[in-house]
Amino acid sequence: EAEVAQSPRYKITEKSQAVAFWCDPISGHATLYWYRQILGQGPELLVQFQDESVVDDSQLPKDRFSAERLKGVDSTLKIQPAELGDSAMYLCASSFDGELFFGEGSRLTVL
Amino acid sequence: GENVEQHPSTLSVQEGDSAVIKCTYSDSASNYFPWYKQELGKGPQLIIDIRSNVGEKKDQRIAVTLNKTAKHFSLHITETQPEDSAVYFCAASSGSGYSTLTFGKGTMLLVSP
Repeated sequence: EAEVAQSPRYKITEKSQAVAFWCDPISGHATLYWYRQILGQGPELLVQFQDESVVDDSQLPKDRFSAERLKGVDSTLKIQPAELGDSAMYLCASSFDGELFFGEGSRLTVL
Repeated sequence: GENVEQHPSTLSVQEGDSAVIKCTYSDSASNYFPWYKQELGKGPQLIIDIRSNVGEKKDQRIAVTLNKTAKHFSLHITETQPEDSAVYFCAASSGSGYSTLTFGKGTMLLVSP
């Protein structure tokens, strides 16, 4: 069964350090999303790609967050510098016809 | 933008009972309403969805109903089992290829044996 792959599953870092998360969507899915999920809340969209183009990054804190999908396949989300409030689950999803499929997520803890 | 409200935040039932989770949305243009189940430490998994051209959809023990006039939709789980225990999220979007899902805050369902 096709899956959205994410790595790393867990990341512990100190504040002010840089962190990066990687996502490989389901083959053939042109739309890719990065969501942030704070413990006890629903996922919130950070950025949406259609192929290699950003469709929506209105909720991405651009002073410290960046995302890219250079070849329209896999994607990287970077945080630099990390802050204590960035501790959360970072979820990647890909979609076909509006139906989203999520990866297992990357749990970030900032100390 | 879209706003999705979900109730209750927690729900405890006995095994075999039914569970109902309700959501309301604000954007009348929304036409796609999925439900996700999230187990501890895992990503959300789609369990059922409904589009605005139907009022009800059923898949074994799970059903979703939609009332577009009132802008609310509900998840119904019958004959609950302990393995149904998880956090459930509703979401809404316009359902087009560029659409963005807006999620509710989730309902923690606990099914006791």
